Amino acid sequence: DTAVSQTPKYLVTQMGNDKSIKCEQNLGHDTMYWYKQDSKKFLKIMFSYNNKELIINETVPNRFSPKSPDKAHLNLHINSLELGDSAVYFCASSLHSRAGLAAEAFFGQGTRLTVV
Amino acid sequence: GENVEQHPSTLSVQEGDSAVIKCTYSDSASNYFPWYKQELGKGPQLIIDIRSNVGEKKDQRIAVTLNKTAKHFSLHITETQPEDSAVYFCAANFLGGSYIPTFGRGTSLIVHP
Repeated sequence: DTAVSQTPKYLVTQMGNDKSIKCEQNLGHDTMYWYKQDSKKFLKIMFSYNNKELIINETVPNRFSPKSPDKAHLNLHINSLELGDSAVYFCASSLHSRAGLAAEAFFGQGTRLTVV
Repeated sequence: GENVEQHPSTLSVQEGDSAVIKCTYSDSASNYFPWYKQELGKGPQLIIDIRSNVGEKKDQRIAVTLNKTAKHFSLHITETQPEDSAVYFCAANFLGGSYIPTFGRGTSLIVHP
């Protein structure tokens, strides 16, 4: 059983298009994240949701809109795609994010987005 | 917010040698320091972690040390093997009032047979 699964694994699209990446976790975690990994491998937090509520939005353009229909899902919708959006996007989840309850983050396999 | 510095960015060793990767963090509120290994085409995966009430932790060939006063922590891999070749990330967990994994820039470890 895949713990954190994201689809699609590869996404090639033209500039200006709108696309979505889906993420699901079956670990019973209450916190989910989206990270962007650039060509230099830097992992940058984009969003964090706890119990379906947004707790972190790290200066991401408003073309990026996360949506969490329930605790097990955190989808990422991107409007008006730009060349600079090309990267690998990782979904992750963990058990808690509140003080004193930090725990391991489990990552999906990543979605390689290429904007042409 | 939290700032995590990681060095070196690339580390090349011979099989059997030891490898050491060092990280520093800025926010004293961080209390959890995981290390992740990322293999090509995969997501990062936890290999070892340490909490702020512990100074050292070991798991077979991997060990992590933490100096809270100096705000730095290190990953030590002994008897390296070619399958240890990967990108390694350190992380601290405090960002903007919430506990969010914040990563260093990664170290590409290459183990030559």
